[in-house]
Parts: sequence; C-alpha cells; structure tokens
Amino acid sequence: QQQVKQSPQSLIVQKGGISIINCAYENTAFDYFPWYQQFPGKGPALLIAIRPDVSEKKEGRFTISFNKSAKQFSLHIMDSQPGDSATYFCAASITNGNQFYFGTGTSLTVIP
Amino acid sequence: DTGVSQDPRHKITKRGQNVTFRCDPISEHNRLYWYRQTLGQGPEFLTYFQNEAQLEKSRLLSDRFSAERPKGSFSTLEIQRTEQGDSAMYLCASSRTSGSPDTQYFGPGTRLTVL
Repeated sequence: QQQVKQSPQSLIVQKGGISIINCAYENTAFDYFPWYQQFPGKGPALLIAIRPDVSEKKEGRFTISFNKSAKQFSLHIMDSQPGDSATYFCAASITNGNQFYFGTGTSLTVIP
Repeated sequence: DTGVSQDPRHKITKRGQNVTFRCDPISEHNRLYWYRQTLGQGPEFLTYFQNEAQLEKSRLLSDRFSAERPKGSFSTLEIQRTEQGDSAMYLCASSRTSGSPDTQYFGPGTRLTVL
C-alpha cells in the first residue's frame, strides 16, 4: 500500500512559470514532510521540509504548502528554470522514526 | 567532501553471483539507512542501523540480503545469489539523532545490473 501518493507523474513547464507537485498521505502520525530533488544517476538531495505546525514554508523559489486537515502537501517552484529539470519526490516520516515513505516521483521538465 | 559516499557506483554481475556494496555515512551521523530504488519509483526502505545495531528490516529484505555496520561507522550490504529482480539503485542515507534527526542525507547510490 502506497503510504504517500504523488501527482502528477510528469510535468512540463515553461521557463519562468510555476511548477506545482502534490502529495497526499493517510497516516496521521506522520509529522515530517521533506521534498527531495534527484538528477539522473544521482542520489536524492533534500530540497525543503516542513512539519505540520506550520501551513507554509518558503526557501528561495521553493515553497511547501501544507494542509493538515486534508492530509495534503504540495511543492511550488516559482520562476522555474531549466536547471530545475529533475525528478522530485515527496516523503513522510514520524519524528525519530526509522524510515521515510516516498511518493512515486514527478519528472519535471522546464522548457527554455 | 563530507557527504555520504557509496562504492562502487556501478556493478554488473551475472545471476547467481554475490555482490557487496559499501556505504560511508557522514562522520557524525550515527543512523544509517539502506533503500532500494527501481526505475520510475521512489526509494523503498530496506533496513536501518543506529550505531552498530540493526534495528529494523523491511519485508523487502529477503534472506539473500544481509547488512552490517560492524563498528558503527561504514556499512555493507551483501546480496547473495543475485536475481534479475535485484537490479536497482541501492541508496544509503545517514542522519543524526540530535538536532535535526529526521533529515536523511543520501549518497549517490550503487546501480546494480544483474544479467
């Protein structure tokens, strides 16, 4: 059973546009929600993370929006750039837990 | 470079052979994790160490798989009698138990191809 559901599977955005990736979860015990960026042949790299005590977190062009009641969270990439083209994974875990549950990934292509 | 390192980066083997991968975590991290990632999927948890103790193993970790972290530093993952279904990227991650314990830092992975 997929603990974290991610959509869309792929996304094409024009340079300068906004990229939005969505995730949903069921386990209300989850309290840590990171986003990872992965380039081909590389390991995932932490991009930004949020805990459920806030509804939004922004770091540069990257923003996480979190809706605790809907059990959903999303990644917004503002002013998308070709260098942002990568696969993005959302994940969820329990504080001091021993594993992350990853979504299935979104392949983002930013067209110049 | 003080990040997580993995060796080898690529491994091609024939079905039935044994393979061993190594992971060196970030030096002050005492938690170490192994994940497996297949094409088009997110990483899936395999096992987890706190120091030298292996505290949890996923059902994905069949009896052909064994992981060790003998001195609480580097870790090895061995696959015996490899099968074509073992072909995947094997990722190692590490984290601390204080400060920001939930931030897992991933290595570049070892890509295994079983012919």
